[in-house]
Amino acid sequence: SQQGEEDPQALSIQEGENATMNCSYKTSINNLQWYRQNSGRGLVHLILIRSNEREKHSGRLRVTLDTSKKSSSLLITASRAADTASYFCATDPTGANSKLTFGKGITLSVRP
Amino acid sequence: GAVVSQHPSRVICKSGTSVKIECRSLDFQATTMFWYRQFPKKSLMLMATSNEGSKATYEQGVEKDKFLINHASLTLSTLTVTSAHPEDSSFYICSAAPGGHQPQHFGDGTRLSIL
Repeated sequence: SQQGEEDPQALSIQEGENATMNCSYKTSINNLQWYRQNSGRGLVHLILIRSNEREKHSGRLRVTLDTSKKSSSLLITASRAADTASYFCATDPTGANSKLTFGKGITLSVRP
Repeated sequence: GAVVSQHPSRVICKSGTSVKIECRSLDFQATTMFWYRQFPKKSLMLMATSNEGSKATYEQGVEKDKFLINHASLTLSTLTVTSAHPEDSSFYICSAAPGGHQPQHFGDGTRLSIL
């Protein structure tokens, strides 16, 4: 069943601007992950945040997790045209034997 | 590290053909691999969990006789779409996690088109 729900569904920004994407989920989790997918390709893991963590950074990426609100956000700073892709959040629910549940994804377009 | 290779990347074939897709973990052993299906502009839908040396676990609504999964070694899982029909056309992606721990690493996917 679909657990992660991202918003917005589509986002178009100018190069250099920041992009913020949100994800909400429904059940308790071990961790939440963000993935990126270029058109017609597989998924690339970006960042994993555990349920006991609140914020995590990796390069231009910043992820927050609020387990009380069951939500997460992904911030990409100083976006580049090459960041254009679909972004998915995926939850690793507790007791699910590592089976991830993906959201519907956000299509990010970064205009040069 | 943690590279997953999927082959072929694209298949076009006639209705009724059976198609085999391979998923290999190149630099780690994977006792568990996952097979997903993705429709255009949609999310990934988990089809089944492939378990090395034992039967695959299929998600509800996925026909196990239609989508045969074999995980005969610690580095290879195969998905065979038997007697494929146009409605089986989709993007199929596999993943595996080193040591069974997150995060998962994904293959590049297989675009299956049934005419």
